[in-house]
Amino acid sequence: DTEVTQTPKHLVMGMTNKKSLKCEQHMGHRAMYWYKQKAKKPPELMFVYSYEKLSINESVPSRFSPECPNSSLLNLHLHALQPEDSALYLCASSQVASGRSQFFGPGTRLTVL
Amino acid sequence: GQSLEQPSEVTAVEGAIVQINCTYQTSGFYGLSWYQQHDGGAPTFLSYNGLDGLEETGRFSSFLSRSDSYGYLLLQELQMKDSASYFCAVRDQDSSYKLIFGSGTRLLVRP
Repeated sequence: DTEVTQTPKHLVMGMTNKKSLKCEQHMGHRAMYWYKQKAKKPPELMFVYSYEKLSINESVPSRFSPECPNSSLLNLHLHALQPEDSALYLCASSQVASGRSQFFGPGTRLTVL
Repeated sequence: GQSLEQPSEVTAVEGAIVQINCTYQTSGFYGLSWYQQHDGGAPTFLSYNGLDGLEETGRFSSFLSRSDSYGYLLLQELQMKDSASYFCAVRDQDSSYKLIFGSGTRLLVRP
């Protein structure tokens, strides 16, 4: 299995809702990432987990809460989001500490009303 | 700081060859990667250059000159499906997990 899967593909939520994005990989990668991408911009790193421990938090607002239940799964819990948080949310995985290649999932298109 | 520069847009004709350039500024260098992203899709890893020279993978090749802080992606025998955004990326000098992406080059292949 050489892919990263993400659910849901699309999500529309109000500013008072709580929702979660899910990501799964079975490539044995021990580093997993959350990125946010706005239209016509490169991906922006949000969080990195290494060996199920949070390794990097790029000063992301607390309304985004990551969770890594095990080495294959990564969640992003969303609460009280703002309309400007509307974006494509990408999950990625890699061999630990790989500055060479990361494997991205198809993303969740999030719209906050 | 670290930064990468690449052209914002390139247009080419089907069947032609196109080169997408990337110049970078970084105090610690750990190689240059290239990613392709179709509209609405996910970035896909294309190639990596850790040393100077040319790496070839089918119709795509990537080149690196560390002395010039410069690399390029070469796409040959262009096909309509190559229309996409292409990002160059380097590893962050302070973190082996973090990629610094260029702003992306939008390639439009015309018939």
